[in-house]
This record gives sequence, C-alpha cells and structure tokens, in this order.
Amino acid sequence: KNQVEQSPQSLIILEGKNCTLQCNYTVSPFSNLRWYKQDTGRGPVSLTIMTFSENTKSNGRYTATLDADTKQSSLHITASQLSDSASYICVLGAAGNKLTFGGGTRVLVKP
Amino acid sequence: DSGVTQTPKHLITATGQRVTLRCSPRSGDLSVYWYQQSLDQGLQFLIQYYNGEERAKGNILERFSAQQFPDLHSELNLSSLELGDSALYFCASSWGGTSLYNEQFFGPGTRLTVL
Repeated sequence: KNQVEQSPQSLIILEGKNCTLQCNYTVSPFSNLRWYKQDTGRGPVSLTIMTFSENTKSNGRYTATLDADTKQSSLHITASQLSDSASYICVLGAAGNKLTFGGGTRVLVKP
Repeated sequence: DSGVTQTPKHLITATGQRVTLRCSPRSGDLSVYWYQQSLDQGLQFLIQYYNGEERAKGNILERFSAQQFPDLHSELNLSSLELGDSALYFCASSWGGTSLYNEQFFGPGTRLTVL
C-alpha cells in the first residue's frame, strides 16, 4: 500500500471555480509535506512546503493545509484558471531529504 | 525554467542496450537527485548524490548506476534495458544534502523508450 494516497485521481472543474485535493499519508516520522504542480511531460514545480508543525501555507491562489493528527493534507485552488490544468502531487519529506510521492491528482479546468 | 538541464530530451533504444542520461544542476547546488516516472507508478526516488558522494538510495535497480563528477554534473547509467524501463527520468537539484527543509528543483526530464 502506498504511503501517500491522493484523491480524487482526477477531476474536472469549470474556470473560475474552486476545488480541493486531498492527501492521506502514513509516512512517519516526516519533516515536511510538499505540494508540487506538474504539467504534462514536464518536471514538477514546488507550490508549498510545510513542516510538520505548520498547518497552513499559501502561494497565491494555492493554499495547503496540514493536520498531523489525522495525517491529512489538502490543497485548495481558488478561482481556477485554464493554466491550473496539471497534475498535483503530494510529497512527504523525511530525514535525509528522501521524498515519498503520492500518485497525483489530475486536474482539468474547462472554460 | 528551473535552471536544471537534462540531456537528451528523448532517447529511443532497444532491449539489452545501455544508455547514459546527463544532468547539470542549478548553479550553486551541491545535491543531485534522480527520479523515475512511469505511467503506472508515479515518481520514484532512485538515488541522491551530494558534492560527489552518494547520499541516499531509493528504489534503484542493480542494472542502474549513477555518479556525480567534480563539476557537479551527474550521469545516470541504465544497462541491460528492458521494456519496463521505458519512463520519464527526472533529475532534481538542491543546495544542501541533509537539510530537512531543502527545496528540490526539477529538470525537464529525459523520456526513454525501450523497444
């Protein structure tokens, strides 16, 4: 079983709407939780990095939350744009900078 | 543009062959990481080098090897290639090697197709 599970696997939203992506993890202990955006065929780009003691971090229209008690994180996208169409990957960072990746959520924003 | 460069962009080869993928980290970064991304498995960490020395190992097969040179560029060598090795291979770099809050910057990837 994957140590980092993301849901949904994919979703379609209309331009201008909000959406929330979920990440459940079992990696323990961990030092940080990251969200990456990956356009098709390109390398991932970091959106947010949170330590285990932080519970929210924003980057423009992207807001990540972390609940270490329930081992859940979410990424909220506000007022979606066509350029938000991409895969969003939840990543747990452990000691030694080793990263464990979730399978990603593929988001398609339609006009 | 992350500042990390990878060559070649695409590589097509046959089973049983050997290939070398190259990565140049961002200026000033000492760590290089290699990842494999297959269609059905997502991103998998392979190996990390820091300032020329191996620092961490992930799910890297024995047929695969890597090294980091004095100028900090890195090469990933894949030998006795199998159909299942077809994937996107990403290189990432970061300044430190053991910082718990180290951001990694990813290159554009090399798409390997094994026929």
